[in-house]
Amino acid sequence: EAQVTQNPRYLITVTGKKLTVTCSQNMNHEYMSWYRQDPGLGLRQIYYSMNVEVTDKGDVPEGYKVSRKEKRNFPLILESPSPNQTSLYFCASSLGTSGGWTQYFGPGTRLLVL
Amino acid sequence: QKEVEQNSGPLSVPEGAIASLNCTYSDRGSQSFFWYRQYSGKSPELIMSIYSNGDKEDGRFTAQLNKASQYVSLLIRDSQPSDSATYLCAVNDSGYSTLTFGKGTMLLVSP
Repeated sequence: EAQVTQNPRYLITVTGKKLTVTCSQNMNHEYMSWYRQDPGLGLRQIYYSMNVEVTDKGDVPEGYKVSRKEKRNFPLILESPSPNQTSLYFCASSLGTSGGWTQYFGPGTRLLVL
Repeated sequence: QKEVEQNSGPLSVPEGAIASLNCTYSDRGSQSFFWYRQYSGKSPELIMSIYSNGDKEDGRFTAQLNKASQYVSLLIRDSQPSDSATYLCAVNDSGYSTLTFGKGTMLLVSP
């Protein structure tokens, strides 16, 4: 089944404790992206990647890191989480330049930073 | 700053009626336009994509695009209670690298 997976789905952590949210897609998509969704603010892009080893900032990159060492994986790293990073996070992917820009979303990761 | 504007709603329609959802965008160079449906706590699900001016129909859904007016709309015919959700308008920038979302319109379909 073609899908985008994220892990963990739910996470409670404390301020300053480094964490990684994994994202993987099995559709051979070139483009991958991370979003956060907050009440009243909607979905906002954090980082995106056009292909392996090519990443760039979205609208709200502060406090986040990403890497794209393999085509299928695009982990989101919070080096020192803070309470304002409490949010619902979505990973998404699309074919990209090879075939289209429709983005397909993972199931989401709900993060609470205490 | 690219902007995508939607009425937050809620938009309330009776079952069987036509629901009309609207969206405007600021980046005149935008090329791709999408409507996503999102149930509470779930991930966005693609409903329609549209790339050229005019109408595009898929079942009960019709997307309309007017690039001159920078306006995108979604019509849902024969609305069902299961259509009750938040509908997100999304616009690709001219370089296709970023997708900007509106804040969404909540649709409530009453039986």
